[in-house]
Amino acid sequence: GAVVSQHPSWVICKSGTSVKIECRSLDFQATTMFWYRQFPKQSLMLMATSNEGSKATYEQGVEKDKFLINHASLTLSTLTVTSAHPEDSSFYICSARVYAQPQHFGDGTRLSIL
Amino acid sequence: EDQVTQSPEALRLQEGESSSLNCSYTVSGLRGLFWYRQDPGKGPEFLFTLYSAGEEKEKERLKATLTKKESFLHITAPKPEDSATYLCAVQSPEYNNNDMRFGAGTRLTVKP
Repeated sequence: GAVVSQHPSWVICKSGTSVKIECRSLDFQATTMFWYRQFPKQSLMLMATSNEGSKATYEQGVEKDKFLINHASLTLSTLTVTSAHPEDSSFYICSARVYAQPQHFGDGTRLSIL
Repeated sequence: EDQVTQSPEALRLQEGESSSLNCSYTVSGLRGLFWYRQDPGKGPEFLFTLYSAGEEKEKERLKATLTKKESFLHITAPKPEDSATYLCAVQSPEYNNNDMRFGAGTRLTVKP
């Protein structure tokens, strides 16, 4: 149980394009979903928290207009990296949980901007 | 100031050589401490949650313990497949939405 699917797993695109990443909880309804960014050999940095039907809460220093989060249902959240540039290249990971239960993570999306 | 500190940063063991990983935290009002395992290129996999000092959890060769200021992940007779990065995270009322904050992790390598 508690499976979280993230898609795509890997994307390469040109600078200036927008990229959408999906995060789905497959076998449970998530009250909250989280988006993290991870640099090589570093830990997870929380970017934003989203609850179904409400606006995402962004961490300090994360640009809301750059990283658009939509949490359309209890099983789906999307992260759109708008007008992506090489410095946005990273490993993005989502997680989902039910209330205060442990977070369960997707397998991440490796984003490379050329 | 780091609120979750893991040590060592990296650990190399021979197969069968038991050891412990440390996670110390400075947050007040701990709601939960979580251990995850992360393989390269994958998302973290949930292992344990600990809620109060003195609590212990076990799973196969892993045992997690908790005190008021730190947690230990004990690995008994590790095997090469235990090689991974082990992350701890704390949940505190200091954070919004019952968020977690992660430590930097311990990269464990078990040699056959």
